[in-house]
Amino acid sequence: DQQVKQNSPSLSVQEGRISILNCDYTNSMFDYFLWYKKYPAEGPTFLISISSIKDKNEDGRFTVFLNKSAKHLSLHIVPSQPGDSAVYFCAGGAGSYQLTFGKGTKLSVIP
Amino acid sequence: SQTIHQWPATLVQPVGSPLSLECTVEGTSNPNLYWYRQAAGRGLQLLFYSVGIGQISSEVPQNLSASRPQDRQFILSSKKLLLSDSGFYLCACNYWDRGQADTQYFGPGTRLTVL
Repeated sequence: DQQVKQNSPSLSVQEGRISILNCDYTNSMFDYFLWYKKYPAEGPTFLISISSIKDKNEDGRFTVFLNKSAKHLSLHIVPSQPGDSAVYFCAGGAGSYQLTFGKGTKLSVIP
Repeated sequence: SQTIHQWPATLVQPVGSPLSLECTVEGTSNPNLYWYRQAAGRGLQLLFYSVGIGQISSEVPQNLSASRPQDRQFILSSKKLLLSDSGFYLCACNYWDRGQADTQYFGPGTRLTVL
């Protein structure tokens, strides 16, 4: 049972435009969500998180939106830059320990 | 802030050989520690986590095991590797901060190829 789903394995966006990465979840017990960015052969880097009591969190070019009723969250990157090209993982957390990750979306930003 | 070290960075091993991957953490005490695997075309799969010395929880039954001999050391082992053990192994940690542990931070990873 896949509790966190990233249904788009890849996404291509023109430099300067908005990138929107989507994530759906099924576990109502998740009380926070995180986005990670991963380059090949490196560990994931934490990007941004959101608590389940909020519907938006912003950090520079990155904004995460949470729609609890739809069990959906999205990461917006504006403006997109070539250095943003990476695999993005969405994760849900419940309690102190375990994160459940999606399979990732590969973002390609075209100059 | 914490720093996570993993070694080796890459490893090529024959089927049936043993495995030992090491993870150490600097900059924090009593962290929660995690082992993940990223296999080709798949997401991050949690293998083990540990909330303290000698305390290991296994998420996926397989021929791998984990140990935590010291507070900031986490070891992933196998007695006999399988082809399906190939993948990118990641160590991660989080810790209690203001009574809440959430964000996990990852090490650089070990690329394991089993031939």
